[in-house]
Amino acid sequence: DSGVTQTPKHLITATGQRVTLRCSPRSGDLSVYWYQQSLDQGLQFLIQYYNGEERAKGNILERFSAQQFPDLHSELNLSSLELGDSALYFCASSLGDRNTEAFFGQGTRLTVV
Amino acid sequence: DAKTTQPNSMESNEEEPVHLPCNHSTISGTDYIHWYRQLPSQGPEYVIHGLTSNVNNRMASLAIAEDRKSSTLILHRATLRDAAVYYCIGNDTASKLTFGTGTRLQVTL
Repeated sequence: DSGVTQTPKHLITATGQRVTLRCSPRSGDLSVYWYQQSLDQGLQFLIQYYNGEERAKGNILERFSAQQFPDLHSELNLSSLELGDSALYFCASSLGDRNTEAFFGQGTRLTVV
Repeated sequence: DAKTTQPNSMESNEEEPVHLPCNHSTISGTDYIHWYRQLPSQGPEYVIHGLTSNVNNRMASLAIAEDRKSSTLILHRATLRDAAVYYCIGNDTASKLTFGTGTRLQVTL
């Protein structure tokens, strides 16, 4: 158990809909990262927040957004969903913003039908 | 972050050591070499990281070449639970990690 909690574990939704994925980092960790893993693209970095502020951005679509709240949990919002957004979404956390170890949650499997 | 090259797959017998190679010839002086693994149906798991000298922890050892253009992850005694995809990543922090295709390790009895 990495200490990172993601909810829900599974999500099935229709195209055009909007969903929110939630992540609780390990106790004390200030950085949260979001990754997407699809069959054709592998694991891809989406975005990082550190202590409530956006710190780094990867290949995150404009339809996707994220935020980190004062209690340090984070949410990833996916809107106008397309079939191609079906993937595993992982959240990871680390103590600071320059650490070399990240701890991943078990992921949320999103299926868009 | 540095481009890395790993074999697609490797096999090992249980209880034997496993050496997983990684080439990272473009690695910069400030990039660490990170290793993560992903067991079936789970999120990636941190294994080990190093900069210049060899590193050991309870999970594995990391041997880094003197020129830092390659490294080897060593599992001292492979078990069935070590069957996973192992990713080698060259990066200065844990942010924006680029996971390639990794090495799929099969462990057999």
